Amino acid sequence: KAGVTQTPRYLIKTRGQQVTLSCSPISGHRSVSWYQQTPGQGLQFLFEYFSETQRNKGNFPGRFSGRQFSNSRSEMNVSTLELGDSALYLCASSLEYGTGLDTIYFGEGSWLTVV
Amino acid sequence: AQSVTQPDIHITVSEGASLELRCNYSYGATPYLFWYVQSPGQGLQLLLKYFSGDTLVQGIKGFEAEFKRSQSSFNLRKPSVHWSDAAEYFCAVGAQNDMRFGAGTRLTVKP
Repeated sequence: KAGVTQTPRYLIKTRGQQVTLSCSPISGHRSVSWYQQTPGQGLQFLFEYFSETQRNKGNFPGRFSGRQFSNSRSEMNVSTLELGDSALYLCASSLEYGTGLDTIYFGEGSWLTVV
Repeated sequence: AQSVTQPDIHITVSEGASLELRCNYSYGATPYLFWYVQSPGQGLQLLLKYFSGDTLVQGIKGFEAEFKRSQSSFNLRKPSVHWSDAAEYFCAVGAQNDMRFGAGTRLTVKP
C-alpha cells in the first residue's frame, strides 16, 4: 500500500509570495493533518481535515490555510510568505479518528525555503 | 492540554550497547503515547504506540517501550543499538483532537 505522498518535496519562494503544498493520504484514510517542523519550534500542529471539513486547528495565523477534497487529498496554502515560514511541512494521515486518537502516518515532507 | 518532555537533547552510544530514551508526559487521564523516528531529510516513521493494555509494547526495529503511569513516563529502549539507528526520536502524546510532540532526542551511534 502506498504511503503518504507529498509534493513538491523541495521549493524556494520569495517573501510575500504564496505557496501551495499537496498531500495524498494512504488509501482508505480519511483524516489528514498538517505539521510544521523547524529547528527552533520543533513539530507544531497546523490543522486537521476530515470529510472535507477542518476538524481541528493549531495556533497559527490566518495566512496558513488548508482544504480537503472528496478523495481525501489535501492541500495547504501559505500566503504572504515570511522568512520564518521556512520549514519542513509534514502531512500525516489516519483512518478516521485523527489527531491524538489514532495512529498517524507521515509523509516525507515538503521543504520550504523562503528567501 | 497535554505536554511531553524529552529531557535528553542528544545521546551518543556505542554500536552494540543498550539504549534508553526518556519521555515524560503530563496529562490528566491515560493518554495515547507514541514514539516516532526521523532520519535526516525524511518524514517521521512510527516505531510503536500505547493505547491501553499491556504496559510493555513492542515496536519495529527491535524497539520496545514501557508505560509507567506512576512516573508519567514512556521510555524507549533497545538492547543492542545498530549504526542505522542513528536518527532523531520523538515521543508524542495524543488526546482528543490534539497531538503534542516532544522536542526530540538526537541519537548518535559510535562505531
